[in-house]
Amino acid sequence: DTGVSQNPRHKITKRGQNVTFRCDPISEHNRLYWYRQTLGQGPEFLTYFQNEAQLEKSRLLSDRFSAERPKGSFSTLEIQRTEQGDSAMYLCASSVQGTETQYFGPGTRLLVL
Amino acid sequence: EDKVVQSPLSLVVHEGDTVTLNCSYEVTNFRSLLWYKQEKKAPTFLFMLTSSGIEKKSGRLSSILDKKELFSILNITATQTGDSAIYLCAVGVRETSGSRLTFGEGTQLTVNP
Repeated sequence: DTGVSQNPRHKITKRGQNVTFRCDPISEHNRLYWYRQTLGQGPEFLTYFQNEAQLEKSRLLSDRFSAERPKGSFSTLEIQRTEQGDSAMYLCASSVQGTETQYFGPGTRLLVL
Repeated sequence: EDKVVQSPLSLVVHEGDTVTLNCSYEVTNFRSLLWYKQEKKAPTFLFMLTSSGIEKKSGRLSSILDKKELFSILNITATQTGDSAIYLCAVGVRETSGSRLTFGEGTQLTVNP
């Protein structure tokens, strides 16, 4: 395990459909973060887990978004009833508790038609 | 509201030039400032700065933080075409239960041969 992995790398869906993304963090990292990045912008924080506990959620995370990390390892981010405005790159990052440096995965690029 | 501002937003130089990228911030509960390089996919970690006046170096890249004036710079000397990327500045903010990163918009650097 050499880094954070995310699947799928690309997703095209129709408006109104549900989508789910997966993130596998670096194995010894107990913190996991989700960010969203749109063209020309820096990543925006969505939510964060320490082990299996979801400790913080951004105001950006509407009720249509839900994230889980059931066993404290991989995480899933689900978007229900997708809208065109959800089109973005969804980035996952992980870190070790007590350190600031977050390591990012390659992202999942979502296009909602 | 926490804010991170990068300048310039875009920069075009020739190989061999030296560039300076700027990052200023206004955040509560500052913990650290991080620089990332983003090519076509995931941001890759460059530096983390927590103390004023201590320069961090890695090859042709260096960075320094001024916590009194609330800014950081990233210098790249003898630029190469492989330095072309988006450079992201992020500030680690202490939250009740941990920390998250607030990113700037990024500086798009293009190095022409």
